[in-house]
Amino acid sequence: NAGVTQTPKFRILKIGQSMTLQCTQDMNHNYMYWYRQDPGMGLKLIYYSVGAGITDKGEVPNGYNVSRSTTEDFPLRLELAAPSQTSVYFCASSYEDSRYNEQFFGPGTRLTVL
Amino acid sequence: GENVEQHPSTLSVQEGDSAVIKCTYSDSASNYFPWYKQELGKGPQLIIDIRSNVGEKKDQRIAVTLNKTAKHFSLHITETQPEDSAVYFCAATLNSGGSNYKLTFGKGTLLTVNP
Repeated sequence: NAGVTQTPKFRILKIGQSMTLQCTQDMNHNYMYWYRQDPGMGLKLIYYSVGAGITDKGEVPNGYNVSRSTTEDFPLRLELAAPSQTSVYFCASSYEDSRYNEQFFGPGTRLTVL
Repeated sequence: GENVEQHPSTLSVQEGDSAVIKCTYSDSASNYFPWYKQELGKGPQLIIDIRSNVGEKKDQRIAVTLNKTAKHFSLHITETQPEDSAVYFCAATLNSGGSNYKLTFGKGTLLTVNP
């Protein structure tokens, strides 16, 4: 299993540009998440999904959109990039079973908005 | 909503010493408390977790303790090694049935183990 994969690893955007951060998992997990990590601030939940076709907002959803058309993929869309969206973005997934709570994280995408 | 405070933000120890990282949480309903380790350039990885029905859990050199009354939990690493150097995050959530989403993370502790 590749686990959780994210592309790209790095990206520089200009203000106002748009882009999609890709996330794929091959563990057949129902739950998927997007977090952003700012220096010294921990991880903040942006959006999450409990299954294909179902998404919901996390703590910091403004400026982002998501979709979940398949179990495997959970892309994160930035429509009008702003400097405040400069961050490291992590995608994660987990089982839909309270006995197995581990969230499996991807390697991250480092995004800079100039 | 839940709020998790984590201390210290940085911790430097000598190889072989013990390290302790402490977290407090605000929501008394939270019942699941994981700890994640993040190595440089990688995503976080679960190292140990504890549920509210136990007070302590150990896994080799790592242990976690939970005080529900005081709403705080701690990570203890004994006999530290250079490979323990990383950022450690605590988190808390209400785990109800299959609903293990919406983890609230602390801000992290940078642990440096000096040879």
